[in-house]
Amino acid sequence: DGGITQSPKYLFRKEGQNVTLSCEQNLNHDAMYWYRQDPGQGLRLIYYSQIVNDFQKGDIAEGYSVSREKKESFPLTVTSAQKNPTAFYLCASRIQGAQNTEAFFGQGTRLTVV
Amino acid sequence: GQSLEQPSEVTAVEGAIVQINCTYQTSGFYGLSWYQQHDGGAPTFLSYNALDGLEETGRFSSFLSRSDSYGYLLLQELQMKDSASYFCAVRGGATNKLIFGTGTLLAVQP
Repeated sequence: DGGITQSPKYLFRKEGQNVTLSCEQNLNHDAMYWYRQDPGQGLRLIYYSQIVNDFQKGDIAEGYSVSREKKESFPLTVTSAQKNPTAFYLCASRIQGAQNTEAFFGQGTRLTVV
Repeated sequence: GQSLEQPSEVTAVEGAIVQINCTYQTSGFYGLSWYQQHDGGAPTFLSYNALDGLEETGRFSSFLSRSDSYGYLLLQELQMKDSASYFCAVRGGATNKLIFGTGTLLAVQP
């Protein structure tokens, strides 16, 4: 079955540590996205990528980094520079250039700083 | 830049009809989409409007007015399982940047 997978589902981080969230898709989608969601809030765009080896900052990129070495994978690193990293992180993918903006989401990673 | 505004909460009773509005600002416009998210879950796609007018998909319909930069999601014959957050989204400009609204929490009461 095609889909998009995020791991781990829950992640605990000590202050000052970097952590990497995994996102893998087998939908053959070119475009991939990372969003942050805080309790009762909307989805805020962190980074997005339209093609392998290319990515752009979203609205809240500070303290985060990404890579896109393979079409299927778009990992997100939450660095120690991110002052308030506790949140629900969602990865999504969609067909490049399609008029329809349908995006497919992973089940999310809930990150907690302890 | 791009921004989308929605009401934060809406309450309705089972069997009723509810409308969730969305106003947007974007430098380029490639259509308005709607997503549903149950608490703690992943957002799922509901509908898409590229042109003005009403699109119907079962109990859900979505409307777009490009001249007013406005759209809405209409939910009919509400069921308890429709209690969720609803987000509008736009893909703006010449890129694949996909921006979501602030979200509307719908509470369906018996």
